[in-house]
Amino acid sequence: DSGVTQTPKHLITATGQRVTLRCSPRSGDLSVYWYQQSLDQGLQFLIQYYNGEERAKGNILERFSAQQFPDLHSELNLSSLELGDSALYFCASSVDPLQETQYFGPGTRLLVL
Amino acid sequence: EDKVVQSPLSLVVHEGDTVTLNCSYEVTNFRSLLWYKQEKKAPTFLFMLTSSGIEKKSGRLSSILDKKELFSILNITATQTGDSAVYLCAVVVTGAQKLVFGQGTRLTINP
Repeated sequence: DSGVTQTPKHLITATGQRVTLRCSPRSGDLSVYWYQQSLDQGLQFLIQYYNGEERAKGNILERFSAQQFPDLHSELNLSSLELGDSALYFCASSVDPLQETQYFGPGTRLLVL
Repeated sequence: EDKVVQSPLSLVVHEGDTVTLNCSYEVTNFRSLLWYKQEKKAPTFLFMLTSSGIEKKSGRLSSILDKKELFSILNITATQTGDSAVYLCAVVVTGAQKLVFGQGTRLTINP
């Protein structure tokens, strides 16, 4: 158990819908990262927040957005969902903003039908 | 474009064998290289390498980085069935502030 929690564990929804994935980092970690893992694309970095501010951006679609709240939990919002958005979404956290030694949560498996 | 390539993509060996997994990279501003093990769920951190030639070791696992030739290897000796997993290599790129992952090596250890 890494200490990073993610909810929900599984999510099934339809195309065109909007969902919110939630992540609570390890106690004391200020940085939160979001990743998408699909079978054909491997693990892709989406976005990083550090202490409430966006720190780095990866391959995140415009339909996706994220934020980190004052209590340091983070939410990833996915809208206008498409079949290709079906994937495992991981959240990770670290103490520092430099992306090293990240601890991953268990992931949220999203299935878009 | 920043790129991390792992080889082989898949490897099947017998318990007790020694394996070497490779990770090569081409990135604009290298900061560090990370190795992760991913079983059924989330990746778990194994090693972080920042300096060339210094071996990191944890039990039967070891890793080394060559910053001149732009690659790293992960060695696992006396493999056990519990070592079966996907091993991911990732490079931290400064400037762009991102982590670039390789496609992973799926290691299967047969009893």
